[in-house]
Amino acid sequence: KAGVTQTPRYLIKTRGQQVTLSCSPISGHRSVSWYQQTPGQGLQFLFEYFSETQRNKGNFPGRFSGRQFSNSRSEMNVSTLELGDSALYLCASSRDGVNEKLFFGSGTQLSVL
Amino acid sequence: SQQGEEDPQALSIQEGENATMNCSYKTSINNLQWYRQNSGRGLVHLILIRSNEREKHSGRLRVTLDTSKKSSSLLITASRAADTASYFCATALIQGAQKLVFGQGTRLTINP
Repeated sequence: KAGVTQTPRYLIKTRGQQVTLSCSPISGHRSVSWYQQTPGQGLQFLFEYFSETQRNKGNFPGRFSGRQFSNSRSEMNVSTLELGDSALYLCASSRDGVNEKLFFGSGTQLSVL
Repeated sequence: SQQGEEDPQALSIQEGENATMNCSYKTSINNLQWYRQNSGRGLVHLILIRSNEREKHSGRLRVTLDTSKKSSSLLITASRAADTASYFCATALIQGAQKLVFGQGTRLTINP
């Protein structure tokens, strides 16, 4: 089975721009969640989708949004980028959520200049 | 604030020695999971232990869970250079969102 695939691996943007990150989960997994990792704040939950519905959202501003498609692939979007958005963005998938182990992708390293 | 607090923040040992990392949390959990992260990469799942379990093993890994003390420990026996990584505990709450709450992690260095 192919693992969780995140694209792109690296991104460099400037303040004010927007960015879209993509995540393809493991085949058969319907839950996709997103986490932001920074040296200062550690791993923070962004949101979780299951069968195209957002089930949960973390404490991030509305500039952070996401969606999930019928094939379970997910995208997250950050608009009006700020310097503090520089982080490693990790996507994880599972069949049904956090009652089982999550499979993480390699992440997208976003740098905002 | 983080649900999980990990201790120590950094640990450096010689190859072949055992490494123990501890995790404490604040609220009731459904399960607790341990993950490993090599520098700048994604997280790799190690062990999931449910709230009604006290101990689990996987190869050289042993995880314990004490729900009365709201704490868990990860023991890596006979460490190898390849075990050098950051280790995170993560909790899934009983009453809460479908999310994992991560600790700040323990940076483990195995010296040859």
